[in-house]
Amino acid sequence: EAQVTQNPRYLITVTGKKLTVTCSQNMNHEYMSWYRQDPGLGLRQIYYSMNVEVTDKGDVPEGYKVSRKEKRNFPLILESPSPNQTSLYFCASSLSDRGSNIQYFGAGTRLSVL
Amino acid sequence: AQSVAQPEDQVNVAEGNPLTVKCTYSVSGNPYLFWYVQYPNRGLQFLLKYITGDNLVKGSYGFEAEFNKSQTSFHLKKPSALVSDSALYFCAVRDATSGTYKYIFGTGTRLKVLA
Repeated sequence: EAQVTQNPRYLITVTGKKLTVTCSQNMNHEYMSWYRQDPGLGLRQIYYSMNVEVTDKGDVPEGYKVSRKEKRNFPLILESPSPNQTSLYFCASSLSDRGSNIQYFGAGTRLSVL
Repeated sequence: AQSVAQPEDQVNVAEGNPLTVKCTYSVSGNPYLFWYVQYPNRGLQFLLKYITGDNLVKGSYGFEAEFNKSQTSFHLKKPSALVSDSALYFCAVRDATSGTYKYIFGTGTRLKVLA
């Protein structure tokens, strides 16, 4: 089954404790992206990747890192989480970086930073 | 700069009535426009998109959307709402001609279909 898999689904952590949210897709997609969803703000793009070893900042990249060493994986790293990073996070992938391509979303990771 | 506006936080409609969820956009070039739906505790699912051509786009579950270039709008519509259509709807835009790889999403509109 074609899917985007995020882990963990739920995470509670404390300020400053490094964490990684994993994202994996099995569709051989080139384009992958991370979003955060906050009430009243909708989805905001954090980082995206056009292909292996090619990443760029979205609209809210501060406090986040990403890497794309393999085509299928696109982990989101919070080196020193802060309470303002408490949010619902979504990973998405699409066939290529062509803007007309549909994005496929993971089920989401709900993060609470205390 | 790209932007998307969904002016209504919530839309209530009676089952069987037509529904409209509004979206306006701003891009410097030509737009690629999308509608996604989010059911509780789920990720977003694609509904429909406008790339080029016919201004009326038909999508999943009986939804359609009309692209209006002069009004820079891409409103989502359905002739007869179902209770199961109740969900959170997001409009998104990407600039087709500026070379950007970013997507901009609206703030979302919660649709409530009342039985």
